[in-house]
Amino acid sequence: NAGVMQNPRHLVRRRGQEARLRCSPMKGHSHVYWYRQLPEEGLKFMVYLQKENIIDESGMPKERFSAEFPKEGPSILRIQQVVRGDSAAYFCASSPRGTGGPPSPRNQPQHFGDGTRLSIL
Amino acid sequence: SQQGEEDPQALSIQEGENATMNCSYKTSINNLQWYRQNSGRGLVHLILIRSNEREKHSGRLRVTLDTSKKSSSLLITASRAADTASYFCATVAGAGGTSYGKLTFGQGTILTVHP
Repeated sequence: NAGVMQNPRHLVRRRGQEARLRCSPMKGHSHVYWYRQLPEEGLKFMVYLQKENIIDESGMPKERFSAEFPKEGPSILRIQQVVRGDSAAYFCASSPRGTGGPPSPRNQPQHFGDGTRLSIL
Repeated sequence: SQQGEEDPQALSIQEGENATMNCSYKTSINNLQWYRQNSGRGLVHLILIRSNEREKHSGRLRVTLDTSKKSSSLLITASRAADTASYFCATVAGAGGTSYGKLTFGQGTILTVHP
């Protein structure tokens, strides 16, 4: 059973270009989270998605950043008009549906991909 | 604000010794989780402890949770060189919020185990 797959592993962009990061969750997982890790820091939550729905985007900058998780295909994190400050490692995690009550995966561990290291020139 | 604060920031020990890392948090939680990250890799889930649990074991790992002090500790016994990594605690907000399971991470502890 393949783990969470992220690609590309490394991405280099010039200021003003677009960056597109992809994440395929583990088989059977319907919850996807994106986190950003700046150098020497812990991870910061960006957005939580289920298939075709953005559930919580409270950690995502209002401008230039967007995320989707279509019915078919991987989840995409898109950063438009990148700036130097966007340089970071971006991690995707997935989890199965939780048990009991509404579809909340609170009590489920998250499975992380190896991340995409984004460098802005 | 940062939910989890970890202590120490870095820990260096010899193989065979025990390693203890601490984590404090600020708000009520549903559960607390510990993850390990090797350099250049993603995070690996180690253990999850729920707010109504006080202690949990998994192999050489022992986690405690004190909700009255809003703190947790991770103990790795009989450490090995392969345990060298960064260790993060992460909390999931308590019931009634809209956390949906999103993790709030601490800054992490860098553990180095010397052979």
